[in-house]
Amino acid sequence: EDKVVQSPLSLVVHEGDTVTLNCSYEVTNFRSLLWYKQEKKAPTFLFMLTSSGIEKKSGRLSSILDKKELSSILNITATQTGDSAIYLCAVDPYNAGNNRKLIWGLGTSLAVNP
Amino acid sequence: GAVVSQHPSRVICKSGTSVKIECRSLDFQATTMFWYRQFPKQSLMLMATSNEGSKATYEQGVEKDKFLINHASLTLSTLTVTSAHPEDSSFYICSVPGGYTFGSGTRLTVV
Repeated sequence: EDKVVQSPLSLVVHEGDTVTLNCSYEVTNFRSLLWYKQEKKAPTFLFMLTSSGIEKKSGRLSSILDKKELSSILNITATQTGDSAIYLCAVDPYNAGNNRKLIWGLGTSLAVNP
Repeated sequence: GAVVSQHPSRVICKSGTSVKIECRSLDFQATTMFWYRQFPKQSLMLMATSNEGSKATYEQGVEKDKFLINHASLTLSTLTVTSAHPEDSSFYICSVPGGYTFGSGTRLTVV
């Protein structure tokens, strides 16, 4: 059965710390891996990763995929209280009918304290 | 980019009533729409996939008679929670295939 596992499930840090969130997957016919930030609303897309070793970067956030290890990390440097959120990882597999159903991890709840 | 408008954003209803949630694609045609439910501190759970002009495909364990999905046009998909009960209180989100575009979500509270 396809699955996506995120770790840790929750994390509390102080402003200015750097955090690394993990996402591992077991998916048949991998297409891409996606990262999202969710506050008290629908998820906001952060990154889509398809190729190993190519870092995607947006400000203080960056992410990289390791297809050999079937995993991805999301790094946040110099964290701010506004980074407090749930970070979701999902995998987009090739599947019959191409209906693009994502497989979701449980998320990592990040709290950044001032 | 693609935009999906979801309404209402928040609704409180009495037990036994029905609630309709709408998702409209504003600048593109959406032949498929995913409907998710999310309980507090949990991840998104796919409920069903709506397809324009045909019956929705429901995930295992989702009651199709309780969660009525209609996708009558290329720009509108609706989810109706029928005879709502407190346990149906949740955050409902729609999205289109690809993973980039989500509706803003509907927080349903059944009292």
